[in-house]
Amino acid sequence: NAGVTQTPKFRVLKTGQSMTLLCAQDMNHEYMYWYRQDPGMGLRLIHYSVGEGTTAKGEVPDGYNVSRLKKQNFLLGLESAAPSQTSVYFCASSTPTGGRAGEQFFGPGTRLTVL
Amino acid sequence: QQQVKQSPQSLIVQKGGISIINCAYENTAFDYFPWYQQFPGKGPALLIAIRPDVSEKKEGRFTISFNKSAKQFSLHIMDSQPGDSATYFCAASMGGAQKLVFGQGTRLTINP
Repeated sequence: NAGVTQTPKFRVLKTGQSMTLLCAQDMNHEYMYWYRQDPGMGLRLIHYSVGEGTTAKGEVPDGYNVSRLKKQNFLLGLESAAPSQTSVYFCASSTPTGGRAGEQFFGPGTRLTVL
Repeated sequence: QQQVKQSPQSLIVQKGGISIINCAYENTAFDYFPWYQQFPGKGPALLIAIRPDVSEKKEGRFTISFNKSAKQFSLHIMDSQPGDSATYFCAASMGGAQKLVFGQGTRLTINP
């Protein structure tokens, strides 16, 4: 099992450009999450999904959109990138049932720089 | 709005010593308290977790101590090793969507 994978690993954008980050999981997890990690601030939740076709806002949703068209994929979009969105982005997934309920499994991250 | 506060920001411990990282939370509805370990260039990985019905949980050299009345919990790493050098995050969540609220992180360095 690959677990949680993220594409791309690195990206440099210019202000105003758009891009989509792809997250995929092969654990059949119902829940998926997008976080951003900034120095000294831990990880902050951007958006999350509790099932295919459903999404909800997290702590820092402004400037981002998400879609969950398939259970295994969770897309994070930046419509008009800003320098403040320079960060490392992590995707995670979890299941609400079973012995490992509540444990979030993280991907390797995408390092995004906006110039 | 920082619901989980973590200290210290950085910690240096000698090999074989005890590393202690502390966290405090505000929301009494939290019912799951994990610690994540992150190595440079990698995603966080669950190290150990506790629920508020117990005051302590031990897994190998790692122990969580939980004080419900004080709304605090801590990670103790016994016999710390250089391979434990990483950034550690405490977190908290409640039922439903199981959204995690993270502390700010502690960069732990174990000197050989």
